[in-house]
Amino acid sequence: QQQVKQSPQSLIVQKGGISIINCAYENTAFDYFPWYQQFPGKGPALLIAIRPDVSEKKEGRFTISFNKSAKQFSLHIMDSQPGDSATYFCAASSRSDYKLSFGAGTTVTVRA
Amino acid sequence: DAGVTQSPTHLIKTRGQQVTLRCSPKSGHDTVSWYQQALGQGPQFIFQYYEEEERQRGNFPDRFSGHQFPNYSSELNVNALLLGDSALYLCASSRSTGVPNQPQHFGDGTRLSIL
Repeated sequence: QQQVKQSPQSLIVQKGGISIINCAYENTAFDYFPWYQQFPGKGPALLIAIRPDVSEKKEGRFTISFNKSAKQFSLHIMDSQPGDSATYFCAASSRSDYKLSFGAGTTVTVRA
Repeated sequence: DAGVTQSPTHLIKTRGQQVTLRCSPKSGHDTVSWYQQALGQGPQFIFQYYEEEERQRGNFPDRFSGHQFPNYSSELNVNALLLGDSALYLCASSRSTGVPNQPQHFGDGTRLSIL
């Protein structure tokens, strides 16, 4: 079964707007939460990652918000640009598990 | 600094055949994981290799096997191919430092099509 649930499946945002993607998990052993960006024909590229000892992490226009009690985390893309149009995947792993468990992905389209 | 490289980029096979995919990890990385990504879905973990041994395996049948070489490169072998094996096969490398959950860096994958 899907260990990480991601929503929405797709979203359209105007240039300069904010894109928000949400993920939820059940496994309380998860303690590493990366986000990947994937363009068509390419492999996923690591964008930003967070561990549960912080509630927010920002890198440039990308911010992860983490809510440990709700077992949810989200990616915010500020000032969205057409070049941000891609599929975004959240993922999770635990200290005792070497694999990454991925969400189903969100296709983001930024309209100029 | 070369990233993760995979070969070939595309492959077409027929049902029942066998295939070998190759991966060279990012410089400085010693751990290789393989994932299967079906169209429109997130990557699914197949297995991970470290120190030339399979360290963990996902829910994939024994038709899927692998190998890691002393230079850390890796191969994924799939026997008795089925139509459902058509997917993008991704290799990810990471560095084992004793700290868990090190970032995994992906290659651009091998697109496998089964006819």
